[in-house]
Amino acid sequence: DTGVSQDPRHKITKRGQNVTFRCDPISEHNRLYWYRQTLGQGPEFLTYFQNEAQLEKSRLLSDRFSAERPKGSFSTLEIQRTEQGDSAMYLCASSSLSRAEKLFFGSGTQLSVL
Amino acid sequence: AQTVTQSQPEMSVQEAETVTLSCTYDTSESDYYLFWYKQPPSRQMILVIRQEAYKQQNATENRFSVNFQKAAKSFSLKISDSQLGDAAMYFCAKGAQKLVFGQGTRLTINP
Repeated sequence: DTGVSQDPRHKITKRGQNVTFRCDPISEHNRLYWYRQTLGQGPEFLTYFQNEAQLEKSRLLSDRFSAERPKGSFSTLEIQRTEQGDSAMYLCASSSLSRAEKLFFGSGTQLSVL
Repeated sequence: AQTVTQSQPEMSVQEAETVTLSCTYDTSESDYYLFWYKQPPSRQMILVIRQEAYKQQNATENRFSVNFQKAAKSFSLKISDSQLGDAAMYFCAKGAQKLVFGQGTRLTINP
C-alpha cells in the first residue's frame, strides 16, 4: 500500500492557461474522489468515479473543469482557461467498494493562478 | 443543503491535558457517517475517527473519542493526554463518499 499519490505537488500558472493534475489511487480501490480546498476552509466535493464511470459532479465543477479516469486506475483533473479564483489545494482520495466511507487522501496539488 | 458547523476556529491545550472540539451538523437522513479528520502542515487529510449514525455507542480510537448526540445533531471530539504531534487543523465531516466538511478548528498544543 503506497497510498494515494498526486502530481505535481505545486503548480504555478498564469491566468488563462490550462493545467492538468494527476492522481494515482491505492491500487485496489475502485472509487476515486476529487475535492478542492481553499485557504481557511474545509475541502469541498468536486466529483467522484467508480472504476472509469464518473458518478457524480458538484455544481462547483464548472464547464472549465473536466475529470477523467480512462482505465479505472489513475485520474486526471484538467482546468481550462484558469482564473485567479481557481487557486486552491486540489485533493484526491480513494476508497474500496466494501469500505466506501473510508477515504484515503493524497497530499494534494497546490494551484496558484497569477 | 447539508451543513457542518465547527464553532471554534482555534483551540489550545496544555500538553497532557484533555481538549474537546465541537461540531454540529444538519441532515434529513437517518443513516450516515460522521468523521473527524486531522490536517497537519503537510496538508494531507488523515482520518482520526469515524462514527456510524445508527450505532449508539460512541466511537473510540486510543486517545480520541467522540460524543455523538444524534437528536441534537452534535458530534464532538475529545482528545485525551494531548501530545505535541496532535497540533493540526481538525475537520468534522459528514457523509459517505461525498463528504461535507466543516470549516475546521486549529488546535495548538502548549508544551
